[in-house]
Amino acid sequence: EIVLTQSPGTLSLSPGERATLSCKASQSVDSTYLYWYQQKPGQAPRLLIFGASRRATGVPDRFSGSGSGTDFTLTISRLEPEDFAVYYCQQYGASLWPFGQGTKVEIK
Amino acid sequence: QVQLQESGPGLVKPSETLSLTCTVSGYSISIPDHWAWIRQPPGKGPEWIGAIYYRGNTYYNPSLKSRVTMSVDTSKNQFSLKLSSVAAADTAVYFCARAPINYGAAYSFDIWGQGTMVIVSS
Repeated sequence: EIVLTQSPGTLSLSPGERATLSCKASQSVDSTYLYWYQQKPGQAPRLLIFGASRRATGVPDRFSGSGSGTDFTLTISRLEPEDFAVYYCQQYGASLWPFGQGTKVEIK
Repeated sequence: QVQLQESGPGLVKPSETLSLTCTVSGYSISIPDHWAWIRQPPGKGPEWIGAIYYRGNTYYNPSLKSRVTMSVDTSKNQFSLKLSSVAAADTAVYFCARAPINYGAAYSFDIWGQGTMVIVSS
């Protein structure tokens, strides 16, 4: 069973800065099935990235995903006020859909 | 557009069975996709509970498998969750979601319900 570990737990940044979020898998993952979600308070998670690097419909191009094997990254090139939220990675494999524990991006 | 809506009791007593239904609108649940339940305890991250294929094949989180039953009712365009022997640790917001198979962001949770809070308490 694959475990996804996200770091850091909290990222304190200012609007306009670059955010780099990490997701490490306990064993190699098919990048086709690696996803990133954004969640704001009181809302359901929203799909941002699928296939490790493909943006979902309507997602701004300041969001980008990369990585392969066990190491994946979500980058927000320039933080906008609406980007301060919690981000989760998640993968599918062997009929299981585990999530990482999340990274909170907060305003510094 | 596709919408999912969870429904069910907001309060369940310890040791009883939690039962929730997800009603899908704007989309046929008979299309070959997976339909999932995810929960999120207060202040914590999401936890995948299980998924059901439109034909009824089920896949459960190993940590919850002994207590989870999912079913699908294509005539009502709904799918359901039962979680038995609940305890306080099962208190959470419960979400239903779609995981498409053959298009778009395959196997992601691309569309979610708004979630329903379930409290386990006597």
